[in-house]
Amino acid sequence: GENVEQHPSTLSVQEGDSAVIKCTYSDSASNYFPWYKQELGKRPQLIIDIRSNVGEKKDQRIAVTLNKTAKHFSLHITETQPEDSAVYFCAASKKSGGYQKVTFGTGTKLQVIP
Amino acid sequence: SQTIHQWPATLVQPVGSPLSLECTVEGTSNPNLYWYRQAAGRGLQLLFYSVGIGQISSEVPQNLSASRPQDRQFILSSKKLLLSDSGFYLCAWSVVQEAFFGQGTRLTVV
Repeated sequence: GENVEQHPSTLSVQEGDSAVIKCTYSDSASNYFPWYKQELGKRPQLIIDIRSNVGEKKDQRIAVTLNKTAKHFSLHITETQPEDSAVYFCAASKKSGGYQKVTFGTGTKLQVIP
Repeated sequence: SQTIHQWPATLVQPVGSPLSLECTVEGTSNPNLYWYRQAAGRGLQLLFYSVGIGQISSEVPQNLSASRPQDRQFILSSKKLLLSDSGFYLCAWSVVQEAFFGQGTRLTVV
């Protein structure tokens, strides 16, 4: 089955600096890669996603890149702010037996230091 | 627009007691429904998924069961809770590819 690895597990950056979180996946059939942000005690919220026919996608301070050949994708946050502090999950998804099988990474706890 | 409701938000239950968590989705038909568990400080583990009424698949063997009595209702149950069942339980739905989560239930088994 799919295996998603996510690094680093924790990340501390100074406010205004950039943060990069990296994920790798194993199943070449995965074709959809969402990123979720989970604030303490709350539900994960979808913040950005990328499909396998696209190499890069940007939404204001957040960008994702996908390298299908190497099977890795990354989340980039620029000009970080304290409210960016949260746990971020990557995921790899594919159609499997009639449903969308989503495999999550183990999460990265991002701390933005004011 | 679609919304997902999950309750209760928090629950403290003694070991050996039964469990029932409920999740309902509004604004969509025939969604894929999921139950995830998140242990403290850890990632999201898929417990069950359902592609339709009465269709339940389990990803991992465990002390829990799931049921889907209606198209937009998904229930997570246990006959006898264990200490290891403590965690943050999340219901989620998807139709195309994006998965959206309920608010979660923080279960503490004492």
